[in-house]
Amino acid sequence: GAVVSQHPSRVICKSGTSVKIECRSLDFQATTMFWYRQFPKQSLMLMATSNEGSKATYEQGVEKDKFLINHASLTLSTLTVTSAHPEDSSFYICSAMSGGHFTDTQYFGPGTRLTVL
Amino acid sequence: AQKITQTQPGMFVQEKEAVTLDCTYDTSDQSYGLFWYKQPSSGEMIFLIYQGSYDEQNATEGRYSLNFQKARKSANLVISASQLGDSAMYFCAMRENAGGTSYGKLTFGQGTILTVHP
Repeated sequence: GAVVSQHPSRVICKSGTSVKIECRSLDFQATTMFWYRQFPKQSLMLMATSNEGSKATYEQGVEKDKFLINHASLTLSTLTVTSAHPEDSSFYICSAMSGGHFTDTQYFGPGTRLTVL
Repeated sequence: AQKITQTQPGMFVQEKEAVTLDCTYDTSDQSYGLFWYKQPSSGEMIFLIYQGSYDEQNATEGRYSLNFQKARKSANLVISASQLGDSAMYFCAMRENAGGTSYGKLTFGQGTILTVHP
């Protein structure tokens, strides 16, 4: 299957700082990337959908100014958590797909565990 | 209403036995796709198997098979010959066509934690 990397895998930061998480598709061009948030032992919650070269589409209740998403190329999307607070501590996971058909598979990165002190 | 329902929070199976993880879905679309992912304790989401709404045959991938019952809107995952490494959280997910406006979004169930005993 296709490979998606995510960096960093783990980050600890102080409250008020910003954290950037990178998501890369290594062996395919990702027309669409997705960012999810997951709390322990819970399901994945979609935060936003990003298409290369256009603004991300955020899910209801997700603050656009808090979670900045940039999809600058067909292989890279970034999520920046601005002015992070302890309640932003979570597991963030991205996925990528090369098409938009309902048969296309989303491939996931390994996730980033964010801890805000 | 829940679009994807996984009613088993936890399941236990003996090594080498088969296990079925339940998944029911709700959609008015004719075109949709159903996916199963495995999430070990490391956190990565591993794609296991896919079933399209128009596929007449049940999907199979190695030890994984999908018992697709369209009329009942169920897409159960069957794992044969369980191994200790199968212990993980399993998620069922659906992508609807939504008239071409879904942009590939997946809707996930709540997950089932599978524990394989030696």
